Amino acid sequence: GNSVTQMEGPVTLSEEAFLTINCTYTATGYPSLFWYVQYPGEGLQLLLKATKADDKGSNKGFEATYRKETTSFHLEKGSVQVSDSAVYFCALSYLNTNAGKSTFGDGTTLTVKP
Amino acid sequence: DGGITQSPKYLFRKEGQNVTLSCEQNLNHDAMYWYRQDPGQGLRLIYYSQIVNDFQKGDIAEGYSVSREKKESFPLTVTSAQKNPTAFYLCASSPQAGSYEQYFGPGTRLTVT
Repeated sequence: GNSVTQMEGPVTLSEEAFLTINCTYTATGYPSLFWYVQYPGEGLQLLLKATKADDKGSNKGFEATYRKETTSFHLEKGSVQVSDSAVYFCALSYLNTNAGKSTFGDGTTLTVKP
Repeated sequence: DGGITQSPKYLFRKEGQNVTLSCEQNLNHDAMYWYRQDPGQGLRLIYYSQIVNDFQKGDIAEGYSVSREKKESFPLTVTSAQKNPTAFYLCASSPQAGSYEQYFGPGTRLTVT
């Protein structure tokens, strides 16, 4: 079956540091890939997505590139802020198949210190 | 504003009682989902529904039940048969089954003692 593996956390960085959170996946065909963010006590919000190989998703300074050759979708940000502290989930799903179900990674907790 | 609402935010119940968690959306989405999240863990799918009056079991449906009588509502009942019901429950929806991303509600934290 499909699976998503994320870099284990927690990750602690100082403000303005560079962020990378690794995500790799196992799936057949051509899934769409997503990063969601969850702030404390809240639901998940879509951060960015990519729907085909070599697509780059970007939002709020975060970026991730869909790499089919390495089955990866690593999340990056050049300069993190305290407000970026949250749990980040990598996920995949397929358009028009599998009832729209998504497969989520276990989440990576990011703490940014001033 | 359109969105998904879950109520209440916090819910406390005694062991042996059934409890129903509310999920309402005004996004006109066809598909709705229930997930369970335990501390430090990812999301596990409980039930999902692609259309009104139809729903399917997810990966951990035992001890839970749902209904989908209206497009905008997808309540989840946690029954006394669920062995470890204390968790954070998230409801989500998407425009149609097979659509790309899911939209999440704020969650309900259920504590059973």
